[in-house]
Amino acid sequence: AQSVTQPDIHITVSEGASLELRCNYSYGATPYLFWYVQSPGQGLQLLLKYFSGDTLVQGIKGFEAEFKRSQSSFNLRKPSVHWSDAAEYFCAVGALRDDKIIFGKGTRLHILP
Amino acid sequence: DVKVTQSSRYLVKRTGEKVFLECVQDMDHENMFWYRQDPGLGLRLIYFSYDVKMKEKGDIPEGYSVSREKKERFSLILESASTNQTSMYLCASAEPGGRETQYFGPGTRLLVL
Repeated sequence: AQSVTQPDIHITVSEGASLELRCNYSYGATPYLFWYVQSPGQGLQLLLKYFSGDTLVQGIKGFEAEFKRSQSSFNLRKPSVHWSDAAEYFCAVGALRDDKIIFGKGTRLHILP
Repeated sequence: DVKVTQSSRYLVKRTGEKVFLECVQDMDHENMFWYRQDPGLGLRLIYFSYDVKMKEKGDIPEGYSVSREKKERFSLILESASTNQTSMYLCASAEPGGRETQYFGPGTRLLVL
C-alpha cells in the first residue's frame, strides 16, 4: 500500500532564507508524486508534480523538488522564501492504475520577518 | 481556469441534523472527491466518484453518503450530524488517471453543536 510521510509538522524559517520540506513515500513501483500548498482559508493548489523523466522538477512560485528513488524521497526546496510562502504544504503520492492519491499529514511553514 | 466551488464557506448545524455539502466544477472532469481535513491528520478521503451515479468509498466513509446526479455536481451528505464530524471539508475534481492534478474548492468549515 502507498503511504506518505512528512516528518516535520512545523517549520520556521526567516524571510530570505532557503527552505527544504521533507517527504518520504512508500510504494513498490514508480510513484506519481505531488506537492500541494494550502494558504490560510483556501483550498489546495498544485505546486509541482513528478511522474517520469528529469528527477528535478520545477514548479510555480519558485519551488522545485527532487525525486530520489534510492531514498524514497521527494523533498521540496526554495532558495529564498517570501512572507507570502507561509502556508501548509502537502506531499502526495499516486499510482498508475488508481485515480486516488494519498496525502501526507502536512507541514506548516512559518516565516520570520 | 478550473473552478471548483463549494456551496458554503462556513456552516453551523445541530447534532442529528441532515447536512448537505454541495460541490460544483466547471471543467467537465470525470472524477470528483470529498476529503475531510483535520489538524495533524492531513486530508482523508471520504468518497470518490468516477462518473455520474458511480461512487467508491474512501478511507473514512462512515456517517457519510454522496450523490452525483450530474457530472459537474457532487454532494456530500451527513445523514445525522454528530459533533465528531466538525471539520473542514474539501471537494476536488480531476481527469481520470493517477498523475492528474486535483483541483480543489475553497473548503467548507462545518461546526456541529
